[in-house]
Amino acid sequence: DQQVKQNSPSLSVQEGRISILNCDYTNSMFDYFLWYKKYPAEGPTFLISISSIKDKNEDGRFTVFLNKSAKHLSLHIVPSQPGDSAVYFCAAKGLNNNDMRFGAGTRLTVKP
Amino acid sequence: DVKVTQSSRYLVKRTGEKVFLECVQDMDHENMFWYRQDPGLGLRLIYFSYDVKMKEKGDIPEGYSVSREKKERFSLILESASTNQTSMYLCASTPWTGTGEQYFGPGTRLTVT
Repeated sequence: DQQVKQNSPSLSVQEGRISILNCDYTNSMFDYFLWYKKYPAEGPTFLISISSIKDKNEDGRFTVFLNKSAKHLSLHIVPSQPGDSAVYFCAAKGLNNNDMRFGAGTRLTVKP
Repeated sequence: DVKVTQSSRYLVKRTGEKVFLECVQDMDHENMFWYRQDPGLGLRLIYFSYDVKMKEKGDIPEGYSVSREKKERFSLILESASTNQTSMYLCASTPWTGTGEQYFGPGTRLTVT
């Protein structure tokens, strides 16, 4: 039972344009949502997060939006840069810190 | 800076061999995790541990066991490696409280032939 879904396995955008990565979840008890970035042959690294009590969090070029009624979150990258090319994982945390669910990932390619 | 290290970056083992993957974290985190990453399947939790000698099965524990004798160290054991265990293995840790942000090691690419 996949509680966190990333339905787009890949996304390709032009440098300087906006990248929008989407994530859907099913469990209304999730209280924190996180995005991780993963380069090949490296472990995922934390990118940005949002609490369930907020609907937007911004950090530089990265913004995460949360729509609780739709059980949907998205990551916006503006402007996109070639160095952003990586696999992005959406994750959601349950009541305990050892209860984290990851999506399947979206491979972002930013073309120069 | 939190550091999570894994004993090997690349491993090649034969079918039937016993395989040990070791993970060490230096931030005194209570929780430690083992995941495997496969294309199209994302990160799947194998086992986690919330304290020394404590372990819980994740979503895909079959064929694996774990050991946590010290707080900083969490080992994943493949009792008898099989070709379907060829994968990228990732270790992570997180404290008991906070946002749940997990800190990952660099991963071990295991190939079973």
